[in-house]
Amino acid sequence: GEDVEQSLFLSVREGDSSVINCTYTDSSSTYLYWYKQEPGAGLQLLTYIFSNMDMKQDQRLTVLLNKKDKHLSLRIADTQTGDSAIYFCAESINTGRRALTFGSGTRLQVQP
Amino acid sequence: NAGVTQTPKFRILKIGQSMTLQCAQDMNHNYMYWYRQDPGMGLKLIYYSVGAGITDKGEVPNGYNVSRSTTEDFPLRLELAAPSQTSVYFCASRHRGTTRGETQYFGPGTRLLVL
Repeated sequence: GEDVEQSLFLSVREGDSSVINCTYTDSSSTYLYWYKQEPGAGLQLLTYIFSNMDMKQDQRLTVLLNKKDKHLSLRIADTQTGDSAIYFCAESINTGRRALTFGSGTRLQVQP
Repeated sequence: NAGVTQTPKFRILKIGQSMTLQCAQDMNHNYMYWYRQDPGMGLKLIYYSVGAGITDKGEVPNGYNVSRSTTEDFPLRLELAAPSQTSVYFCASRHRGTTRGETQYFGPGTRLLVL
């Protein structure tokens, strides 16, 4: 079955690195995504990783994928107050509809 | 390109009323989706469409209907509003192929309150 889990809350100080974790259960995931949602706003795609990759780096963002443990993480280097938001992990499964299954989101709070 | 647009931004309905949430995209995407987001939760799939004239149910379709008469538009209909339908509704679309990792592009959302 499809299930994506995330921790609810993370607090870091400005300038530190943030690591947001996610676990998923469906081994037929094709892509895994990280979306950012600011208060009252829609979802903004941050980055994605193909399921046959282990790591992807994009400026301050690093995504690590451990397929054996079905674990995905998002590292934000030099975290800024503007990074405060809710971060959603999502997976796309190899079915016709290719819809996304989302975790419940991790609220990142960046303290100055 | 405007991307994915949704109207209205916010609506209050009385129990039993009906309404249509509008969604449009100008990216010529084949796939379109409706999700709902309840407070403190992730998004759940209501309905989806893989092209004009083709729609199918997602995880939580009860109380909703959709149609897809054109590539651009994918309206979501609530026939008899219930308090359980209080939520934020997001429309999304994506290209058919593997462009940008099958990325879905989201609209800004419609906040619905049923009293």
